[in-house]
Amino acid sequence: DAKTTQPPSMDCAEGRAANLPCNHSTISGNEYVYWYRQIHSQGPQYIIHGLKNNETNEMASLIITEDRKSSTLILPHATLRDTAVYYCIVRVAIHTGANSKLTFGKGITLSVRP
Amino acid sequence: AAGVIQSPRHLIKEKRETATLKCYPIPRHDTVYWYQQGPGQDPQFLISFYEKMQSDKGSIPDRFSAQQFSDYHSELNMSSLELGDSALYFCASSIGATGGYTFGSGTRLTVV
Repeated sequence: DAKTTQPPSMDCAEGRAANLPCNHSTISGNEYVYWYRQIHSQGPQYIIHGLKNNETNEMASLIITEDRKSSTLILPHATLRDTAVYYCIVRVAIHTGANSKLTFGKGITLSVRP
Repeated sequence: AAGVIQSPRHLIKEKRETATLKCYPIPRHDTVYWYQQGPGQDPQFLISFYEKMQSDKGSIPDRFSAQQFSDYHSELNMSSLELGDSALYFCASSIGATGGYTFGSGTRLTVV
């Protein structure tokens, strides 16, 4: 799976949009971009994933650049409960066998301040 | 909605003892994964099962073993426990080629 690079930390004000960047310059054509977050000591939580088109769900939006070498997770109105470690992970779309696991990197710690 | 159930939530064992962690995946999910997360560390993949067969293996010590049963629940068996095995152990399940994983709340193992 392709390696991802994220800044170690960032903060934003409550109610404002949080834009979390991720670089994945070696991503392959069959690899998806996944975002998970982990609130302190809880199990990681799935947020969103995409291949090349921008995606939006009730939690967040995912913007993937045209060359697919980077992406941005957008939390439109951050709340204090969004304080967590956010992981950007790329993975092939095969869900069985040796390529199905998620490989967590360092992640970015988002701190939402009042 | 049903989630991934892990038991126990907390476990305290002494060195050299044995521990068994259990995971009950979401119904109809066909793949189960185990992860270990040490203090201040990121989750590390241990092992996975697809349709009751081991499908992938990560950095799982030889002292650990796991299996998935006919009802799809999975157990992680850990023997000759060491202080360094103290960690959060997460189980996750998934279905489909691109769907997201659902993680359980984890088991916190403390070895004393």
